[in-house]
Amino acid sequence: DVKVTQSSRYLVKRTGEKVFLECVQDMDHENMFWYRQDPGLGLRLIYFSYDVKMKEKGDIPEGYSVSREKKERFSLILESASTNQTSMYLCASSLNENTEAFFGQGTRLTVV
Amino acid sequence: AQKITQTQPGMFVQEKEAVTLDCTYDTSDQSYGLFWYKQPSSGEMIFLIYQGSYDEQNATEGRYSLNFQKARKSANLVISASQLGDSAMYFCAMTLDSNYQLIWGAGTKLIIKP
Repeated sequence: DVKVTQSSRYLVKRTGEKVFLECVQDMDHENMFWYRQDPGLGLRLIYFSYDVKMKEKGDIPEGYSVSREKKERFSLILESASTNQTSMYLCASSLNENTEAFFGQGTRLTVV
Repeated sequence: AQKITQTQPGMFVQEKEAVTLDCTYDTSDQSYGLFWYKQPSSGEMIFLIYQGSYDEQNATEGRYSLNFQKARKSANLVISASQLGDSAMYFCAMTLDSNYQLIWGAGTKLIIKP
């Protein structure tokens, strides 16, 4: 059973904190993605990675960074969390651009 | 510019009826793929069906079929014999061979009435 696992289901952090969201996949996929999802805005791509140590900015990278030191793990980092980063964060992986993406269960982050 | 448009923010459908969720796309690429995903209230994103731009036949997966009309650039999802468990958000997405990214529509909230 293929799996994408996000480290936390719910997270509450204070403004200014550094936040790490971890994502691990066990399918040996090349591509990994971080999205945020807000009501009425659908999914917006923050960053993606197509190989170890490779990263590309998505549509809304400001305020975020990522790390991919190992193929199976893709981390999203909020350097200094702000209230406007309160959102649902979804991690996904795919074998290539012509195959479906598999998603983690999501992390609902609240910044207070 | 590449874009996915879902014009139905919400739909109510009677149980057991068929439902069509609209999706139109915009790209100048010749090679692309179209996906539909379901997101129940629990939040996980579930892959439903895929159609490649060169596939001549419409994709089908159980009760799901994709009505692919290339000239109209539409990729509507058809759910036959709807069930209460079909109530969810549905997202249409596109991937391009020239790009690693998935381009997403805003989603349609489907509610099945008993």
